[in-house]
Amino acid sequence: SQTIHQWPATLVQPVGSPLSLECTVEGTSNPNLYWYRQAAGRGLQLLFYSVGIGQISSEVPQNLSASRPQDRQFILSSKKLLLSDSGFYLCAWIAPYGYTFGSGTRLTVV
Amino acid sequence: QKEVEQNSGPLSVPEGAIASLNCTYSDRGSQSFFWYRQYSGKSPELIMFIYSNGDKEDGRFTAQLNKASQYVSLLIRDSQPSDSATYLCAVNNNAGNMLTFGGGTRLMVKP
Repeated sequence: SQTIHQWPATLVQPVGSPLSLECTVEGTSNPNLYWYRQAAGRGLQLLFYSVGIGQISSEVPQNLSASRPQDRQFILSSKKLLLSDSGFYLCAWIAPYGYTFGSGTRLTVV
Repeated sequence: QKEVEQNSGPLSVPEGAIASLNCTYSDRGSQSFFWYRQYSGKSPELIMFIYSNGDKEDGRFTAQLNKASQYVSLLIRDSQPSDSATYLCAVNNNAGNMLTFGGGTRLMVKP
């Protein structure tokens, strides 16, 4: 069966520090992968999506970046975090019927 | 105009009642529609999807789709306190590879 792993679950980082969130998928090959952010009490905002290794599309200009070094690995990064980067970050892959989400990373920038 | 719109709520219903959650979308070419449930602090989980006009039932849940009116709804029968959560409506794009989410409706089921 297909599973999606995301870590860490919780992260508290100071402003200006770097960020690296990792997402891996098991049980499928060449999945479409997505990074979403959910601010407190808000809806899901698509940040990046990838249809294959090295292929990244950005939906929202910001100080975040994404990379896909391997077929089943999707990484979200930042060189310098802003307070506005706080939120709940979700990785997802598109299954035959809708998205399946990872368990999410709650990032607090202080 | 937002592409997928939901009333943010909260929608409060008594235990055992029917909860009705509504969603409208702007892209007439959309082909598939999804309902996700999100408990506080957790990631969304898929509860239903619907492709064709009409009703689709799964246990206590019924999804309803009206493409002419660009309207999709979710009915929860015999609502339980454990149904209290935020319900997200999502619409797939024409290519079938991207979901657009509404802002979600918060449902509160009171014992």
